[in-house]
Amino acid sequence: GESVGLHLPTLSVQEGDNSIINCAYSNSASDYFIWYKQESGKGPQFIIDIRSNMDKRQGQRVTVLLNKTVKHLSLQIAATQPGDSAVYFCAENLAGGTSYGKLTFGQGTILTVHP
Amino acid sequence: NAGVTQTPKFRILKIGQSMTLQCTQDMNHNYMYWYRQDPGMGLKLIYYSVGAGITDKGEVPNGYNVSRSTTEDFPLRLELAAPSQTSVYFCAAGTGVYEQYFGPGTRLTVT
Repeated sequence: GESVGLHLPTLSVQEGDNSIINCAYSNSASDYFIWYKQESGKGPQFIIDIRSNMDKRQGQRVTVLLNKTVKHLSLQIAATQPGDSAVYFCAENLAGGTSYGKLTFGQGTILTVHP
Repeated sequence: NAGVTQTPKFRILKIGQSMTLQCTQDMNHNYMYWYRQDPGMGLKLIYYSVGAGITDKGEVPNGYNVSRSTTEDFPLRLELAAPSQTSVYFCAAGTGVYEQYFGPGTRLTVT
């Protein structure tokens, strides 16, 4: 079946740098995408989402970019802090019908921020 | 407002034993989900529910059962536990696909 995947399993950055985490998806019918942050021993925490009719969405220190032409999603974290160290997952949802509410998660990227 | 709570936090089962993982939410959300997360992997959907009395299979439902008698509770039942069910189990609740809220997880080991 189709699934969401990540280009890089690990990313190490220095505190203050900007981080970019990438995600490739293969299902062109997906209409909604979410980025989650998961700290060690905890459940995933919502960061930001984007619908397929948008190219870009900004939150506090985070930006999600969606390129539907190449089926690519990225999460940009500005001025990365040690507290940003975690595993980051992208997830997609297929549009409508019985798929509503059923997310498909990618494998995850480990972000390590060095002080 | 506790959000989504899960019990127990940890459990060790012997092969063939059964158990129920509990999940309760106090946000009055209609949608609830059960995921499993294997080491170094993303989450896979086991079962989900769009409201009390309504459940449906996700990507990996074999070996599990669920029920949804109330809005608040969504227990996951493991019958005849197998080593392949060793995983971390997360319950989530939400208003639909948009922003699911996750519990802290249950770490299950089957030996």
